[in-house]
Amino acid sequence: ILNVEQSPQSLHVQEGDSTNFTCSFPSSNFYALHWYRWETAKSPEALFVMTLNGDEKKKGRISATLNTKEGYSYLYIKGSQPEDSATYLCAFTGRGSTLGRLYFGRGTQLTVWP
Amino acid sequence: NAGVTQTPKFQVLKTGQSMTLQCAQDMNHEYMSWYRQDPGMGLRLIHYSVGAGITDQGEVPNGYNVSRSTTEDFPLRLLSAAPSQTSVYFCASSYSFTPSYNEQFFGPGTRLTVL
Repeated sequence: ILNVEQSPQSLHVQEGDSTNFTCSFPSSNFYALHWYRWETAKSPEALFVMTLNGDEKKKGRISATLNTKEGYSYLYIKGSQPEDSATYLCAFTGRGSTLGRLYFGRGTQLTVWP
Repeated sequence: NAGVTQTPKFQVLKTGQSMTLQCAQDMNHEYMSWYRQDPGMGLRLIHYSVGAGITDQGEVPNGYNVSRSTTEDFPLRLLSAAPSQTSVYFCASSYSFTPSYNEQFFGPGTRLTVL
């Protein structure tokens, strides 16, 4: 079982604030790192799938960076809005015998206050 | 496209009963998987399949069986339900397990309570 850590566990910000959170994963045998957004009472939805060291992905006000050598990824939200309130999950997939398995972190729960 | 569908949405079982959670996708995805979600634990992989006829265990496979006889369907069987299996179960699929095509599409979930 691989360890994927997310921090912080929860975050409360005001509308308009920018925020970021971290996903840490094993740096060896890296294959891909996923980010998902999970709103209450819905199913997780994919934000990004990142495969290359130094990758930067952007979707609207949300962006992510990837450092496979040190085993971390950052998710940034610029100018948070109440509709950004959700749990953000990252998931790691590695090479070798674990290929095909996704290991999820426990998520960062973001609440944006108007 | 209906995407990933799961039935039932809710289920209550008594300890020792068996049942099958259904999952189907209409996107011709090779890769399908089952997760359980428990408070404070995140999503944990139960079983997964990289194609019809191929299945493998995830992190928490005990007490569950799967089979993949068609590309579309990936049922999860609880052999003898236990209270520890009370959870929300999510089925997911992706085009492939290779990274560029591995974005997961999740079903709506099945909330299972075992008394």
